Amino acid sequence: DAGITQSPRHKVTETGTPVTLRCHQTENHRYMYWYRQDPGHGLRLIHYSYGVKDTDKGEVSDGYSVSRSKTEDFLLTLESATSSQTSVYFCAIRFSGGSTDTQYFGPGTRLTVL
Amino acid sequence: GDSVTQMEGPVTLSEEAFLTINCTYTATGYPSLFWYVQYPGEGLQLLLKATKADDKGSNKGFEATYRKETTSFHLEKGSVQVSDSAVYFCALSVENNDMRFGAGTRLTVKP
Repeated sequence: DAGITQSPRHKVTETGTPVTLRCHQTENHRYMYWYRQDPGHGLRLIHYSYGVKDTDKGEVSDGYSVSRSKTEDFLLTLESATSSQTSVYFCAIRFSGGSTDTQYFGPGTRLTVL
Repeated sequence: GDSVTQMEGPVTLSEEAFLTINCTYTATGYPSLFWYVQYPGEGLQLLLKATKADDKGSNKGFEATYRKETTSFHLEKGSVQVSDSAVYFCALSVENNDMRFGAGTRLTVKP
C-alpha cells in the first residue's frame, strides 16, 4: 500500500461543467502523476509533478490542468468537461529505491461526462 | 518513440493451465521493464520488474525475463488459478521514469 487515495471514486457530470479530481499521498513522495485509462490504450500520461508548484505536460494534456500546492495533494482539473474525457483516472507516485524507480497507483476515479 | 506492444486478449484458460502473455518493446535507451496487474475495480498493482538484460522478475508464481536480443518481456505462470483473473499490463520506463504502457491483456481463468 503506497498510501495513495483518490477522490471522488466515481463522478457523473455534464458536458461543459468544471471537474476537479484529487489525489492524496501520505508518504512525501516528490513525483506524482495523473493518467487516464481507456480501452485499447492502456494508461496514458496526462500531467505530472516533480515538486510543489512544479508540473509538466504528458502525452494527452489538452483539456486538463493540474495544481500542486502541497506535497501530499495533486489536483487534476477539467475546465470544461467533454464526453471524450469520460475515462478512468489514476494517480501514481514514484517510489525511489532498489535497482529502479517504480510507480505505484491509486484506486482510480471513474468519470462519466454526459 | 518508446513503446510497448502486448498480445491482445482476451485470454481464457482453465485452472492449472500454463500462461504466457507476450510483450515486446521499442526503446532508444536502456529501459526498465514492468508487469502490472489490475483486478476488477482496482488500480494497477506492480507484479514484477526487471532492470537490465537477462534479469528475471518473479512474484506470486509469475515470472518474466528481460530479453534484449528479442526486445521481449513475456509473462509466464506454470499453473494459473481462478484468482489470477485480471488485466495484465506490460510497461517500460526510460529516462526520468517516463513510463509507457501496453494496451493490457484480460485474462479469465475458469474452474
